[in-house]
Amino acid sequence: QVQLQQSGAELVRPGTSVKISCKASGYTFTNYWLGWVKQRPGHGLEWIGDIYPGGGYTNYNEKFKGKATLTADTSSSTAYMQLSSLTSEDSAVYFCARGRGAMDYWGQGTSVTVSS
Amino acid sequence: DILLTQSPAILSVSPGERVSFSCRASQSIGTSIHWYQQRTNGSPRLLIKYASESISGIPSRFSGSGSGTDFTLSINSVESEDIADYYCQQSNSWPTTFGAGTKLELK
Repeated sequence: QVQLQQSGAELVRPGTSVKISCKASGYTFTNYWLGWVKQRPGHGLEWIGDIYPGGGYTNYNEKFKGKATLTADTSSSTAYMQLSSLTSEDSAVYFCARGRGAMDYWGQGTSVTVSS
Repeated sequence: DILLTQSPAILSVSPGERVSFSCRASQSIGTSIHWYQQRTNGSPRLLIKYASESISGIPSRFSGSGSGTDFTLSINSVESEDIADYYCQQSNSWPTTFGAGTKLELK
């Protein structure tokens, strides 16, 4: 069965970076787009961008350009998202999800808390 | 960006009732709307894609309709496990965007 397993919660200092992972299993990793979504209370769901591991192609929401960097390691079927220059506005739960358009499988979410 | 407006913000229902969620787009998006359920502390779960297409494993009491700018998700007979937040998402225009959600609660 398709699973997306995300890395654990992070507590990070303002101004630093964090890299979270999403390990895929149960399907051919290189054949599907994989997206990232941000969720903060009161701000709903925001699409950050997506990556096609089969070719390394990436697309970013303009709002997150310079903030998020998406990569993928096909040898381990793992996608990564690095968030840089963190502020309190980046405190949120981040989900990875398979697909472009309708996202049919989601990871369990990674909580990132930015605090000094 | 396309704005999706979901209404109402909160819906209160009794088990067994039929309930409908509304999602209105700021411009025509054809049928490129998808619906998700998110239970407390859970991940979003795809319920309906492309306005009315069913998803394997999703109970048949969930259905979707609409095109253009007005879309509806319906639950035929609400069960207690359906208590959750419901979101619509459009994929007609880049970037994909989500509505603010409707919370379904029990009376």
